[in-house]
Amino acid sequence: DQQVKQNSPSLSVQEGRISILNCDYTNSMFDYFLWYKKYPAEGPTFLISISSIKDKNEDGRFTVFLNKSAKHLSLHIVPSQPGDSAVYFCAASLVTTGANSKLTFGKGITLSVRP
Amino acid sequence: NAGVTQTPKFRILKIGQSMTLQCTQDMNHNYMYWYRQDPGMGLKLIYYSVGAGITDKGEVPNGYNVSRSTTEDFPLRLELAAPSQTSVYFCASSYGTVIGPDTQYFGPGTRLTVL
Repeated sequence: DQQVKQNSPSLSVQEGRISILNCDYTNSMFDYFLWYKKYPAEGPTFLISISSIKDKNEDGRFTVFLNKSAKHLSLHIVPSQPGDSAVYFCAASLVTTGANSKLTFGKGITLSVRP
Repeated sequence: NAGVTQTPKFRILKIGQSMTLQCTQDMNHNYMYWYRQDPGMGLKLIYYSVGAGITDKGEVPNGYNVSRSTTEDFPLRLELAAPSQTSVYFCASSYGTVIGPDTQYFGPGTRLTVL
């Protein structure tokens, strides 16, 4: 049973346009949501996160929106650049005894930004 | 700082062989993790550790063992390798915050093939 879902496996956008990557979750107990970016032959790197008590978090060209009632979050990249081409993983953190460090990952979305 | 390092980068095993995947971090992080990523899938947690001498099972622990004798090292042991263990293995570490997002830092991965 997948608790974090990234239903679109890929997305292609033109350089300079907006990229919108979507993520849905089923467990209402998740308290933090994170996006990781992964290039081929490298490990994932942290991109941006949002607490469940917020609905928006912005960091430069990257903005994450959270809609708790819909159990949906999205990552917006504006403007998109060719270097943004990578696999993006949505992950959710569930508070457990002692730490909130255990993450549940989605399958990832492959973003291609065309020059 | 080297961050999280993993060795080897690639390995081919025969069915029934055993091996140890090495992971070292130099960030003085308390928490360490092992994930596997199968093609087209997200990362699944195998084992994690909240400190030296303390380990616990993740989502897919069968066929693996871990130990954590030091803060820096968290090796993953495969006994009796099976084709189902063909995957890319990522080690990660984090400080281990109780409140707030606990960013995990990933190594570059080990690509393992079992034939």
